[in-house]
Amino acid sequence: GQQVMQIPQYQHVQEGEDFTTYCNSSTTLSNIQWYKQRPGGHPVFLIQLVKSGEVKKQKRLTFQFGEAKKNSSLHITATQTTDVGTYFCAGPPRNDYKLSFGAGTTVTVRA
Amino acid sequence: DGGITQSPKYLFRKEGQNVTLSCEQNLNHDAMYWYRQDPGQGLRLIYYSQIVNDFQKGDIAEGYSVSREKKESFPLTVTSAQKNPTAFYLCASSIVEAGSQHFGDGTRLSIL
Repeated sequence: GQQVMQIPQYQHVQEGEDFTTYCNSSTTLSNIQWYKQRPGGHPVFLIQLVKSGEVKKQKRLTFQFGEAKKNSSLHITATQTTDVGTYFCAGPPRNDYKLSFGAGTTVTVRA
Repeated sequence: DGGITQSPKYLFRKEGQNVTLSCEQNLNHDAMYWYRQDPGQGLRLIYYSQIVNDFQKGDIAEGYSVSREKKESFPLTVTSAQKNPTAFYLCASSIVEAGSQHFGDGTRLSIL
């Protein structure tokens, strides 16, 4: 079956620094979605990328979908304490619609 | 204000007992989903439904059952056959399949 892997599992960041988290699928995806889950909360949809090589920005967050539509990345610049949480990528394989979620990258920030 | 309501927020199950988790949405979404989340892990799909009176098993359906008698409602029953039910259960919905999903606040289930 399809597998979605995320690295790293944990990211400890100094406030103000940049970091990137990566998402890799064993199969080609029709789209890639990113969600953020704050501690004790539920996942909240951030963004969806559909096109090969697509890049989208949301303020300090930059999302990229790979050319082969099997990988994605999330880059956060100038990390703030509000960025704390777990970031999940998820995607449906082609010819399917169920989302497969990665295990997430849990981000902590040192002030 | 539209959204998904899950209840209860916390639930305790005794050995051999079936419990039902409620999920109601007023977003007029056709597709609904149930996920299980264990500490340090991602979301695993239990059941999903694209339309009323139809639902499909996800990756970990054993020990669970669902119904979809109304578009707005998708309750999940955790049966006594589920030997390790302690987890955080999340209900979600989407306009279309493979579209972005909107999640409820979740139900934390524990064994007494």
